[in-house]
Amino acid sequence: AQSVTQLGSHVSVSEGALVLLRCNYSSSVPPYLFWYVQYPNQGLQLLLKYTTGATLVKGINGFEAEFKKSETSFHLTKPSAHMSDAAEYFCAVSVYLMGAQKLVFGQGTRLTINP
Amino acid sequence: SAVISQKPSRDICQRGTSLTIQCQVDSQVTMMFWYRQQPGQSLTLIATANQGSEATYESGFVIDKFPISRPNLTFSTLTVSNMSPEDSSIYLCSVEVGQAYGYTFGSGTRLTVV
Repeated sequence: AQSVTQLGSHVSVSEGALVLLRCNYSSSVPPYLFWYVQYPNQGLQLLLKYTTGATLVKGINGFEAEFKKSETSFHLTKPSAHMSDAAEYFCAVSVYLMGAQKLVFGQGTRLTINP
Repeated sequence: SAVISQKPSRDICQRGTSLTIQCQVDSQVTMMFWYRQQPGQSLTLIATANQGSEATYESGFVIDKFPISRPNLTFSTLTVSNMSPEDSSIYLCSVEVGQAYGYTFGSGTRLTVV
């Protein structure tokens, strides 16, 4: 069964520092992978996705993620953190179950930015 | 991508009552999904709603507790029935924007049961 594991429920970085949020997946077939961000009291916004092709995927707000099949990972990075990046981040994998493509989410990582 | 209007955005309800959440999409979509996000937790899929057929529920969720309607290709409702404080959560609807092209989410309904 497909699943997603996010390492670290809470990550804290200084403003201007590198952001690294870790995500590992398990999938018996080539996965479709997603990163979503949830700001306080808001819904989910798609940051980026990997389907096929280039393994380094660029998203909105300066984020990017690299699909590494050998490591079954899809870590999210941003070179320089900004205060506005403080939010909850969710990694997800798309799976085909019971006749429909569905998203399975990791447990989330809360990102805190220190001034 | 699709734009989803979800309402109400928040509500405080008495235990034992029911709340119906509406989700309106600005384009026709085949599948609509309903999720629950309990406080401090990740998202859990409740059910998948396909227009013209019964919703498909995930393990741990039943139709009597979470009845879903899907009258057309742009609209769906989720009812949380006979509520208890344990139902206090954020409920979100979602649609798939083309196969593997990502999923769009509504802004969520923050439900508090007292």
